Amino acid sequence: NAGVTQTPKFQVLKTGQSMTLQCAQDMNHEYMSWYRQDPGMGLRLIHYSVGAGITDQGEVPNGYNVSRSTTEDFPLRLLSAAPSQTSVYFCASSYGWQVAGNTIYFGEGSWLTVV
Amino acid sequence: DAKTTQPPSMDCAEGRAANLPCNHSTISGNEYVYWYRQIHSQGPQYIIHGLKNNETNEMASLIITEDRKSSTLILPHATLRDTAVYYCIVKETSGSRLTFGEGTQLTVNP
Repeated sequence: NAGVTQTPKFQVLKTGQSMTLQCAQDMNHEYMSWYRQDPGMGLRLIHYSVGAGITDQGEVPNGYNVSRSTTEDFPLRLLSAAPSQTSVYFCASSYGWQVAGNTIYFGEGSWLTVV
Repeated sequence: DAKTTQPPSMDCAEGRAANLPCNHSTISGNEYVYWYRQIHSQGPQYIIHGLKNNETNEMASLIITEDRKSSTLILPHATLRDTAVYYCIVKETSGSRLTFGEGTQLTVNP
């Protein structure tokens, strides 16, 4: 299994540009989420989804948009990139978000630089 | 979700056991203790989790105190590849949201 796959791995954007970070999982997981990690800090939740057609905001949602049209895919859109959005982005998924003790799997990260 | 407290850094000699502590004094009865680690520039990796009882898997052991206010992750024979930031997280069973703190930077020395 591929697990959680993120693309692109590296991206440089100019301020004001928009782009989409792709995330796909092949484990039939209900729950998917996006985190960002700034240098020397822990991960912070941006948006999450508990199933196709359902999304909700996390801790730091401003400037980002998500949709969940299929179980497998959960793209993250930057609407108008700002230098403050320079970060490493991680996508994560898990099976059965209401299941006790479920494990969350992470992708390998997408490095985004906004200049 | 309960807040956790971990030491910012620890060192361990290669081949020795690494014992990483975590305090979670406000943990509630339905919250699990999870451990993840993040090797430099990689995505977080699941290690182990538990509710009340001690747990062991192929990677590590988790010791949870009887009052559940603290826990210890044990890597029985640390290798250089275990050098990473280790995160202790507590979360409820419902909802898969993880709240990451700053973790413990474990450095395994030859």
